[in-house]
Amino acid sequence: EIVMTQSPATLSVSPGERATLSCRASQSVRSNLAWYQQKPGQAPRLLIYGASTRATGIPARFSGSGSGTEFTLTISSLQSEDFAVYYCQQYNNWPPWTFGQGTKVEIK
Amino acid sequence: QVQLVESGGGVVQPGGSLRLSCGASGFTFSDYDMHWVRQDPGKGLEWVAFIRNDGRNEYYADSVKGRFTVSRDNSRNALYLQMNSLRAEDTAVYYCAKDVRLQGFDYWGQGTLVTVSS
Repeated sequence: EIVMTQSPATLSVSPGERATLSCRASQSVRSNLAWYQQKPGQAPRLLIYGASTRATGIPARFSGSGSGTEFTLTISSLQSEDFAVYYCQQYNNWPPWTFGQGTKVEIK
Repeated sequence: QVQLVESGGGVVQPGGSLRLSCGASGFTFSDYDMHWVRQDPGKGLEWVAFIRNDGRNEYYADSVKGRFTVSRDNSRNALYLQMNSLRAEDTAVYYCAKDVRLQGFDYWGQGTLVTVSS
């Protein structure tokens, strides 16, 4: 099973600032990595797939990078609606499909 | 627009059973693989089960193997999760999710809460 590790667990950022979230896989997942955003009481929403492709309707301030075992989600200028929990997920080696434990982006 | 609507959650005693349903609309259901994913309240996401678009292949997380069964009825645009021998640690919000190959899970339902408690 591929273990996904996200860091940091919590990121405190001021509105308008850049946020950088990290995700590491225990073995290579090539570019088969997705990022999801989840707000309280809501289902996860797909932001990025293929490590760097924005899903439909996702603003350009969200960008993903990386391949193999190291990945990054960057939010270039945080808006109020971006404060949420973010999960990475690998879909290269399955089953199981595995998620990171999440990074909470909170208002500083 | 794509909609996934789960139902069937509730409170059940340890050792009991429950059947979750997920109704799909807005896309050709029979073309897509589907998943169940759960989330312990306040915790992270755990993949639970997968079923191929034609229903011929299923996979399960080790934590539910032998107790849960995923199925689908493409004529009814419906996905199911039969949960038997429920344990306290199965308490979670259960989501159904649509899989797009090599693109992750692009749509999720709103979730249904399952509580296993005596």
